[in-house]
Amino acid sequence: ETAVFQTPNYHVTQVGNEVSFNCKQTLGHDTMYWYKQDSKKLLKIMFSYNNKQLIVNETVPRRFSPQSSDKAHLNLRIKSVEPEDSAVYLCASSPDINQDTQYFGPGTRLLVL
Amino acid sequence: QQQVRQSPQSLTVWEGGTTVLTCSYEDSTFNYFPWYQQFPGEGPALLISILSVSDKKEDGRFTTFFNKREKKLSLHIIDSQPGDSATYFCAASPLNTGYQNFYFGKGTSLTVIP
Repeated sequence: ETAVFQTPNYHVTQVGNEVSFNCKQTLGHDTMYWYKQDSKKLLKIMFSYNNKQLIVNETVPRRFSPQSSDKAHLNLRIKSVEPEDSAVYLCASSPDINQDTQYFGPGTRLLVL
Repeated sequence: QQQVRQSPQSLTVWEGGTTVLTCSYEDSTFNYFPWYQQFPGEGPALLISILSVSDKKEDGRFTTFFNKREKKLSLHIIDSQPGDSATYFCAASPLNTGYQNFYFGKGTSLTVIP
């Protein structure tokens, strides 16, 4: 099966903890993304990765950092989570940096208590 | 600044009716406009897209219209079905500019009543 996979589906943690979310795509794409979707379903791009190079880094807090071992994997680490980090984090991929269609994973829902 | 404005925020239609969602944008460099459909618990999935060189694209019951002069686009769903109940996002992107940065609208929550 070719798709975008994310783990975990759901994560509950406390303020100040560190969390890490995994994303893997089996589509053979070169570019991957992380989006944050808030409680109002507003989607905002956080990072774009093309061939392991960070190419777009929107003004996200420094406690967020993408981590990639190869072009099929793009993880997201959050150091010292804060309540406003509660959201759904969506991973996506596209064939290359100039392609149009993005394929999304099912998301990881984070709840910070 | 909201690059892509979408309306309405929510919409309820009867089964068999026509759904119309609209979006407007600001940046003239945007030339690619996809519509995404998102069901609860899932990520968005591409529904239909249009390039700025076209004014209409149709795919089954879904049609998107584009008006370059007015910087507006719309999504029409004919014969709406309960299974169409989802959140719909329009997006805009400047293709082939060396990076890819999608701007999403805030979404429209559609409910189709049987």
